[in-house]
Amino acid sequence: QKEVEQNSGPLSVPEGAIASLNCTYSDRGSQSFFWYRQYSGKSPELIMSIYSNGDKEDGRFTAQLNKASQYVSLLIRDSQPSDSATYLCAVRGNNAGNMLTFGGGTRLMVKP
Amino acid sequence: GAVVSQHPSWVICKSGTSVKIECRSLDFQATTMFWYRQFPKQSLMLMATSNEGSKATYEQGVEKDKFLINHASLTLSTLTVTSAHPEDSSFYICSARSHRGDNQPQHFGDGTRLSIL
Repeated sequence: QKEVEQNSGPLSVPEGAIASLNCTYSDRGSQSFFWYRQYSGKSPELIMSIYSNGDKEDGRFTAQLNKASQYVSLLIRDSQPSDSATYLCAVRGNNAGNMLTFGGGTRLMVKP
Repeated sequence: GAVVSQHPSWVICKSGTSVKIECRSLDFQATTMFWYRQFPKQSLMLMATSNEGSKATYEQGVEKDKFLINHASLTLSTLTVTSAHPEDSSFYICSARSHRGDNQPQHFGDGTRLSIL
Protein backbone atom coordinates (compact mmCIF):
# COMPACT_ATOMS: atom_id res chain seq x y z
CA GLN A 1 0.00 0.00 0.00
CA LYS A 2 1.31 3.41 -0.97
CA GLU A 3 1.71 5.90 1.85
CA VAL A 4 -0.30 8.60 0.08
CA GLU A 5 -2.82 7.58 -2.54
CA GLN A 6 -4.65 9.60 -5.13
CA ASN A 7 -6.73 8.63 -8.12
CA SER A 8 -4.58 9.49 -11.13
CA GLY A 9 -7.57 10.60 -13.19
CA PRO A 10 -8.07 12.37 -15.42
CA LEU A 11 -10.97 13.95 -13.59
CA SER A 12 -13.03 15.87 -16.11
CA VAL A 13 -15.49 18.55 -14.99
CA PRO A 14 -17.36 21.25 -16.93
CA GLU A 15 -16.49 24.88 -16.40
CA GLY A 16 -18.31 26.32 -13.40
CA ALA A 17 -18.74 22.96 -11.66
CA ILE A 18 -17.19 21.83 -8.38
CA ALA A 19 -14.12 19.64 -8.73
CA SER A 20 -13.52 17.23 -5.87
CA LEU A 21 -10.05 15.77 -5.41
CA ASN A 22 -9.41 13.06 -2.85
CA CYS A 23 -6.40 11.70 -1.03
CA THR A 24 -5.89 8.97 1.56
CA TYR A 25 -2.81 8.38 3.68
CA SER A 26 -1.53 5.48 5.74
CA ASP A 27 0.48 7.13 8.54
CA ARG A 28 -2.03 7.72 11.31
CA GLY A 29 0.42 10.01 13.08
CA SER A 30 0.54 12.51 10.20
CA GLN A 31 0.04 16.09 11.30
CA SER A 32 0.43 18.35 8.27
CA PHE A 33 -1.31 18.15 4.94
CA PHE A 34 -0.76 20.15 1.79
CA TRP A 35 -2.22 20.49 -1.67
CA TYR A 36 0.03 21.53 -4.55
CA ARG A 37 -0.89 22.35 -8.12
CA GLN A 38 1.48 21.44 -10.94
CA TYR A 39 0.99 22.64 -14.48
CA SER A 40 2.57 20.55 -17.22
CA GLY A 41 6.29 21.22 -17.44
CA LYS A 42 6.27 23.41 -14.34
CA SER A 43 7.16 22.83 -10.71
CA PRO A 44 4.53 22.41 -7.98
CA GLU A 45 3.05 25.45 -6.27
CA LEU A 46 1.42 25.39 -2.85
CA ILE A 47 -2.34 25.96 -2.83
CA MET A 48 -3.50 24.99 0.64
CA SER A 49 -2.23 23.67 3.93
CA ILE A 50 -4.40 22.12 6.63
CA TYR A 51 -3.45 20.83 10.05
CA SER A 52 -6.67 20.14 11.98
CA ASN A 53 -9.88 18.27 11.30
CA GLY A 54 -12.59 20.10 9.40
CA ASP A 55 -12.72 22.50 6.51
CA LYS A 56 -10.41 25.32 5.54
CA GLU A 57 -11.49 27.74 2.85
CA ASP A 58 -9.37 30.05 0.73
CA GLY A 59 -11.16 31.70 -2.16
CA ARG A 60 -12.51 29.04 -4.49
CA PHE A 61 -10.54 26.33 -2.71
CA THR A 62 -11.66 24.32 0.32
CA ALA A 63 -9.49 21.71 1.97
CA GLN A 64 -11.17 19.08 4.13
CA LEU A 65 -9.37 16.88 6.64
CA ASN A 66 -10.64 13.82 8.49
CA LYS A 67 -7.85 12.29 10.53
CA ALA A 68 -10.02 9.45 11.82
CA SER A 69 -10.64 8.31 8.26
CA GLN A 70 -7.13 9.31 7.13
CA TYR A 71 -8.61 11.30 4.33
CA VAL A 72 -7.96 14.76 2.95
CA SER A 73 -9.74 16.39 0.04
CA LEU A 74 -9.65 19.54 -2.04
CA LEU A 75 -12.76 21.14 -3.48
CA ILE A 76 -12.50 23.69 -6.25
CA ARG A 77 -15.66 25.74 -6.73
CA ASP A 78 -16.57 27.44 -10.00
CA SER A 79 -13.87 25.48 -11.83
CA GLN A 80 -12.11 27.33 -14.62
CA PRO A 81 -10.15 25.96 -17.59
CA SER A 82 -7.07 27.53 -15.99
CA ASP A 83 -7.53 25.12 -13.07
CA SER A 84 -6.62 22.26 -15.40
CA ALA A 85 -3.46 20.80 -13.89
CA THR A 86 -2.20 17.93 -11.78
CA TYR A 87 -3.00 18.28 -8.09
CA LEU A 88 -0.58 16.71 -5.64
CA CYS A 89 -1.52 15.75 -2.12
CA ALA A 90 1.39 15.86 0.32
CA VAL A 91 1.48 14.56 3.87
CA ARG A 92 4.05 15.11 6.57
CA GLY A 93 4.14 12.18 8.96
CA ASN A 94 6.31 11.15 11.83
CA ASN A 95 9.26 10.29 9.63
CA ALA A 96 12.86 11.20 10.21
CA GLY A 97 13.54 14.63 8.77
CA ASN A 98 9.82 15.43 8.67
CA MET A 99 9.77 14.98 4.92
CA LEU A 100 6.69 15.38 2.81
CA THR A 101 5.34 12.25 1.16
CA PHE A 102 3.60 13.01 -2.11
CA GLY A 103 0.76 11.18 -3.75
CA GLY A 104 0.99 10.41 -7.45
CA GLY A 105 -1.28 13.33 -8.29
CA THR A 106 -4.71 13.66 -9.87
CA ARG A 107 -4.96 15.22 -13.30
CA LEU A 108 -7.89 17.64 -13.49
CA MET A 109 -9.37 18.76 -16.79
CA VAL A 110 -11.90 21.59 -16.77
CA LYS A 111 -13.75 21.76 -20.07
CA PRO A 112 -15.16 25.09 -21.33
CA GLY B 1 7.05 35.65 0.57
CA ALA B 2 8.63 32.18 0.54
CA VAL B 3 10.35 32.44 -2.83
CA VAL B 4 12.72 29.72 -3.97
CA SER B 5 14.95 30.46 -6.90
CA GLN B 6 16.48 27.66 -8.96
CA HIS B 7 19.14 28.14 -11.61
CA PRO B 8 19.65 27.32 -14.41
CA SER B 9 16.17 26.62 -15.73
CA TRP B 10 17.36 24.64 -18.75
CA VAL B 11 20.60 22.84 -19.52
CA ILE B 12 21.58 20.99 -22.67
CA CYS B 13 25.02 19.44 -22.67
CA LYS B 14 27.13 16.57 -23.93
CA SER B 15 27.39 13.22 -22.23
CA GLY B 16 30.15 13.19 -19.62
CA THR B 17 29.67 16.81 -18.56
CA SER B 18 29.09 17.67 -14.91
CA VAL B 19 26.17 20.00 -14.28
CA LYS B 20 25.64 22.15 -11.20
CA ILE B 21 22.17 23.32 -10.18
CA GLU B 22 21.63 26.00 -7.55
CA CYS B 23 18.66 26.38 -5.24
CA ARG B 24 18.27 29.55 -3.20
CA SER B 25 15.67 30.63 -0.67
CA LEU B 26 15.34 34.35 -1.34
CA ASP B 27 13.32 35.68 1.56
CA PHE B 28 13.61 33.05 4.27
CA GLN B 29 16.20 30.83 5.84
CA ALA B 30 15.95 27.15 5.01
CA THR B 31 17.61 24.64 7.28
CA THR B 32 16.30 21.87 5.05
CA MET B 33 16.16 21.68 1.29
CA PHE B 34 14.95 18.79 -0.83
CA TRP B 35 15.94 17.64 -4.28
CA TYR B 36 13.43 15.87 -6.51
CA ARG B 37 13.54 14.38 -9.97
CA GLN B 38 10.52 14.02 -12.20
CA PHE B 39 10.34 12.09 -15.45
CA PRO B 40 7.63 12.94 -18.01
CA LYS B 41 4.12 12.07 -16.85
CA GLN B 42 5.42 10.64 -13.58
CA SER B 43 5.18 11.88 -10.03
CA LEU B 44 7.90 13.60 -8.02
CA MET B 45 10.66 11.33 -6.78
CA LEU B 46 12.62 12.51 -3.76
CA MET B 47 16.33 12.13 -4.35
CA ALA B 48 17.81 13.56 -1.20
CA THR B 49 17.27 15.75 1.82
CA SER B 50 19.84 18.46 2.36
CA ASN B 51 20.47 19.90 5.80
CA GLU B 52 22.55 23.01 6.27
CA GLY B 53 25.98 22.22 7.60
CA SER B 54 25.70 18.45 7.42
CA LYS B 55 25.77 15.64 4.89
CA ALA B 56 22.73 15.07 2.73
CA THR B 57 20.50 12.07 3.26
CA TYR B 58 19.97 10.16 0.03
CA GLU B 59 16.97 8.03 -0.84
CA GLN B 60 17.43 4.40 -1.64
CA GLY B 61 18.76 3.87 -5.13
CA VAL B 62 20.20 7.36 -5.52
CA GLU B 63 23.98 7.36 -5.95
CA LYS B 64 25.54 9.93 -3.67
CA ASP B 65 28.75 10.00 -5.71
CA LYS B 66 26.75 10.71 -8.83
CA PHE B 67 24.53 13.41 -7.34
CA LEU B 68 26.66 15.62 -5.11
CA ILE B 69 24.76 17.88 -2.75
CA ASN B 70 26.18 20.82 -0.85
CA HIS B 71 24.17 22.94 1.59
CA ALA B 72 26.74 25.39 2.87
CA SER B 73 24.41 28.15 4.01
CA LEU B 74 20.84 28.65 5.17
CA THR B 75 19.87 30.03 1.77
CA LEU B 76 21.78 27.93 -0.74
CA SER B 77 21.92 24.27 -1.70
CA THR B 78 23.56 22.91 -4.83
CA LEU B 79 23.13 19.65 -6.72
CA THR B 80 25.91 18.55 -9.04
CA VAL B 81 25.16 15.80 -11.52
CA THR B 82 28.61 14.37 -12.17
CA SER B 83 29.52 12.90 -15.56
CA ALA B 84 25.95 13.13 -16.75
CA HIS B 85 24.61 10.61 -19.24
CA PRO B 86 21.43 10.59 -21.35
CA GLU B 87 19.57 8.55 -18.71
CA ASP B 88 20.11 11.45 -16.29
CA SER B 89 17.97 13.68 -18.49
CA SER B 90 15.03 14.75 -16.36
CA PHE B 91 13.31 17.64 -14.62
CA TYR B 92 15.13 18.39 -11.36
CA ILE B 93 13.25 20.41 -8.76
CA CYS B 94 14.39 21.72 -5.40
CA SER B 95 12.24 22.78 -2.51
CA ALA B 96 12.96 24.51 0.76
CA ARG B 97 11.30 24.66 4.12
CA SER B 98 11.56 27.57 6.49
CA HIS B 99 13.60 27.07 9.65
CA ARG B 100 10.68 28.43 11.65
CA GLY B 101 9.12 25.06 12.32
CA ASP B 102 8.45 21.53 11.17
CA ASN B 103 4.89 22.42 10.17
CA GLN B 104 6.00 24.85 7.51
CA PRO B 105 5.18 23.85 3.92
CA GLN B 106 7.82 23.23 1.31
CA HIS B 107 8.16 25.82 -1.41
CA PHE B 108 9.43 24.75 -4.78
CA GLY B 109 11.86 26.30 -7.19
CA ASP B 110 10.90 26.53 -10.85
CA GLY B 111 12.87 23.43 -11.72
CA THR B 112 15.79 22.68 -14.03
CA ARG B 113 15.22 20.77 -17.21
CA LEU B 114 18.38 18.76 -17.93
CA SER B 115 18.92 17.29 -21.38
CA ILE B 116 22.04 15.20 -21.96
CA LEU B 117 22.93 14.52 -25.58
